[in-house]
Amino acid sequence: DGGITQSPKYLFRKEGQNVTLSCEQNLNHDAMYWYRQDPGQGLRLIYYSQIVNDFQKGDIAEGYSVSREKKESFPLTVTSAQKNPTAFYLCASGGGRRSRPMNTEAFFGQGTRLTVV
Amino acid sequence: GDSVTQMEGPVTLSEEAFLTINCTYTATGYPSLFWYVQYPGEGLQLLLKATKADDKGSNKGFEATYRKETTSFHLEKGSVQVSDSAVYFCALSVSNTNAGKSTFGDGTTLTVKP
Repeated sequence: DGGITQSPKYLFRKEGQNVTLSCEQNLNHDAMYWYRQDPGQGLRLIYYSQIVNDFQKGDIAEGYSVSREKKESFPLTVTSAQKNPTAFYLCASGGGRRSRPMNTEAFFGQGTRLTVV
Repeated sequence: GDSVTQMEGPVTLSEEAFLTINCTYTATGYPSLFWYVQYPGEGLQLLLKATKADDKGSNKGFEATYRKETTSFHLEKGSVQVSDSAVYFCALSVSNTNAGKSTFGDGTTLTVKP
């Protein structure tokens, strides 16, 4: 079945460490996205990529980095510069420059819960 | 810029009660509108969508109608079940090229009691 897989489901980070969250999709979508969700709040966009080897900052990119070397993969690194990284991270895919006009919805992974210890 | 405002929660209902969660939006252009549902500890799932004015999206007994004149997309269900307990997000997307770069509301938590 097609879908998006995020790993790990739970991740613990020590102060000063960089950690990388994995996101893989087999939906053949050009575009992929990373969101952060804090308790009781909506989703905030961190980074997005509309095509391989290209990505743009979202609303809260500081302290995060991404790469898009393959169409299927869009890993997110939470660096030590991110001062408050404890949150639920959601990866999504959908659309892109070559998608059909009616394909406007996003498909989400199951999320990674990151906790600083 | 684009924005989505949805009814603040939490909402608590008894089983078989009628549900309405209000959602209004502002957007440039002609957005597609969505309702997503998030169960505890999981990602978001698309519940229903509407891509143009007067369209009605429906799924699993939930319905929402795209009202351009009132810029609204209210979610309704005639008889809720305990299994409907979740967080519901209203969202819009202005183009397929940025389908995942949607604008989301803050979410409304629904609890249905037996």
